[in-house]
Amino acid sequence: NAGVTQTPKFRVLKTGQSMTLLCAQDMNHEYMYWYRQDPGMGLRLIHYSVGEGTTAKGEVPDGYNVSRLKKQNFLLGLESAAPSQTSVYFCASNPGLGPSNQPQHFGDGTRLSIL
Amino acid sequence: DQQVKQNSPSLSVQEGRISILNCDYTNSMFDYFLWYKKYPAEGPTFLISISSIKDKNEDGRFTVFLNKSAKHLSLHIVPSQPGDSAVYFCAGGSNDYKLSFGAGTTVTVRA
Repeated sequence: NAGVTQTPKFRVLKTGQSMTLLCAQDMNHEYMYWYRQDPGMGLRLIHYSVGEGTTAKGEVPDGYNVSRLKKQNFLLGLESAAPSQTSVYFCASNPGLGPSNQPQHFGDGTRLSIL
Repeated sequence: DQQVKQNSPSLSVQEGRISILNCDYTNSMFDYFLWYKKYPAEGPTFLISISSIKDKNEDGRFTVFLNKSAKHLSLHIVPSQPGDSAVYFCAGGSNDYKLSFGAGTTVTVRA
């Protein structure tokens, strides 16, 4: 059972470079999320999607873009990386159907360093 | 503005004793709460949840207590085991399928 898979696991970028983080889930979940985790800040929601072809802003969306062209994939893009985007990024998914209190399922994270 | 706060960044407890993790929230619209556990280099995994209409939920060694009037919840782990050493996140949610997370508490269980 793969669950939620994030690619890559680690990446180092230079300021101004662009990159895309990939999240794939095999649970047929409707909702997908991107979070960043910083020391002392917990997990903060960047963007989320309520279904294929939809995206919405979360708490800290600036500097990021997302796309959900296929139900199983949720991509997070950094167009021009900045040192402030150094963080650990987590993707999560939720069935999105039935009770809203079903837990989100998380990937193992992508550690991103911007020099 | 953080809607969920975990004011203790760390907790050290002896194996076999009780671990008590605390969480406060400000958003009265939360109608459920979850606790996640996270090991290094892994993603958070769901541990236990509680609905806002309940004041206690128990699952094995883990019990969550909710005090709505105080906007406070706590996670009790009894007895604590070495494998419980991890970061624990508290989260609150409502009917929009989004969660607000606390900053986490690092638990260290000493042998």
